[in-house]
Amino acid sequence: GQNIDQPTEMTATEGAIVQINCTYQTSGFNGLFWYQQHAGEAPTFLSYNVLDGLEEKGRFSSFLSRSKGYSYLLLKELQMKDSASYLCAVRVEGGKLIFGQGTELSVKP
Amino acid sequence: DSGVTQTPKHLITATGQRVTLRCSPRSGDLSVYWYQQSLDQGLQFLIQYYNGEERAKGNILERFSAQQFPDLHSELNLSSLELGDSALYFCASSVELGAASGYTFGSGTRLTVV
Repeated sequence: GQNIDQPTEMTATEGAIVQINCTYQTSGFNGLFWYQQHAGEAPTFLSYNVLDGLEEKGRFSSFLSRSKGYSYLLLKELQMKDSASYLCAVRVEGGKLIFGQGTELSVKP
Repeated sequence: DSGVTQTPKHLITATGQRVTLRCSPRSGDLSVYWYQQSLDQGLQFLIQYYNGEERAKGNILERFSAQQFPDLHSELNLSSLELGDSALYFCASSVELGAASGYTFGSGTRLTVV
């Protein structure tokens, strides 16, 4: 079976740092993705990890540990526009992405 | 504009009816994926096509079917609609099966069954 877990909701303050965790148990692994989704809109690609370690892209970083089935997305210098749902997804055999339920992040002033 | 085009954007229909959702992938992308997102639910994988052939199926209901045409556009057909089918339906495309950029999503079709 495929199981991807992430917290349902998180709240953080503008200017702060927040870490969104994701654990997964999947049949096959060919990369882990993070997407951002604003309500009613399409998910947009944030990051991709296929090897262990940290990938940094501006204010966003993503970490992967394949042996632990664990990833996190780190958002720095939070802005109000970062309020959105953050989706963790694992690419399994055949190329399809299996998504977690998403973490709803609220950024407060 | 992501380059993935979905039509229509909104659809309201009655229970028992049949609808067709259309998706044109980004230019050059061979793979098309369909996802369903219900209220407070994550993205549920429905079906995947690659260069005209079905590659993988998720928990797609028997009332649902899809196909990818020679020009690579895809259609998702939903029949005998029920209230519970109300959801956002997303199409996504990728250039190949193992692309590091993942998928590019269209803006979705919001289906409301009344």
